[in-house]
Amino acid sequence: DGGITQSPKYLFRKEGQNVTLSCEQNLNHDAMYWYRQDPGQGLRLIYYSQIVNDFQKGDIAEGYSVSREKKESFPLTVTSAQKNPTAFYLCASSSLAGGYNEQFFGPGTRLTVL
Amino acid sequence: RKEVEQDPGPFNVPEGATVAFNCTYSNSASQSFFWYRQDCRKEPKLLMSVYSSGNEDGRFTAQLNRASQYISLLIRDSKLSDSATYLCVVNGAGNTPLVFGKGTRLSVIA
Repeated sequence: DGGITQSPKYLFRKEGQNVTLSCEQNLNHDAMYWYRQDPGQGLRLIYYSQIVNDFQKGDIAEGYSVSREKKESFPLTVTSAQKNPTAFYLCASSSLAGGYNEQFFGPGTRLTVL
Repeated sequence: RKEVEQDPGPFNVPEGATVAFNCTYSNSASQSFFWYRQDCRKEPKLLMSVYSSGNEDGRFTAQLNRASQYISLLIRDSKLSDSATYLCVVNGAGNTPLVFGKGTRLSVIA
């Protein structure tokens, strides 16, 4: 089955700890994205990557870091510098053929900081 | 002006009703337009792309008005299962990713 997987589904962390969220896709998509969604709010772009070994900051990159060592993988690290990390994190991917096309989302990770 | 604006709702409609959502966008150079659906505590899923000539998929009709820079979604014969948040999505300025509206919440009531 082709798609995007995110793990874990639920994650709990103590304040001051870094945590890494996994995102893998087997759709052969060039671009991958990370979003954050707070209750009752829209999606906010954290980071995105159009090609391996390259990525750009989105609207709310502070306190987060990413890597893109493989086309199919785009892990997100939530660092202790992120002041309010409790949120729903969504990973997405898309083809870049002809420009930015529709994005396909993974099931998300709910992060709770205790 | 925000890049993509939607009425947040909620729209509460009875089963069988017709409901329409509008969305405005600020980038006149935008070329790609979509409607996504997001169920509570789930990921957004593509509902339909929006084409210049308008397009229909069953009970759903999408329209694009480039002159006024707005997109609409019409849902006919609403079902209980249509209850969700509908996100308007437009490609951003220059070579940047898609921009998502905050969504319009729909509740279809029996």
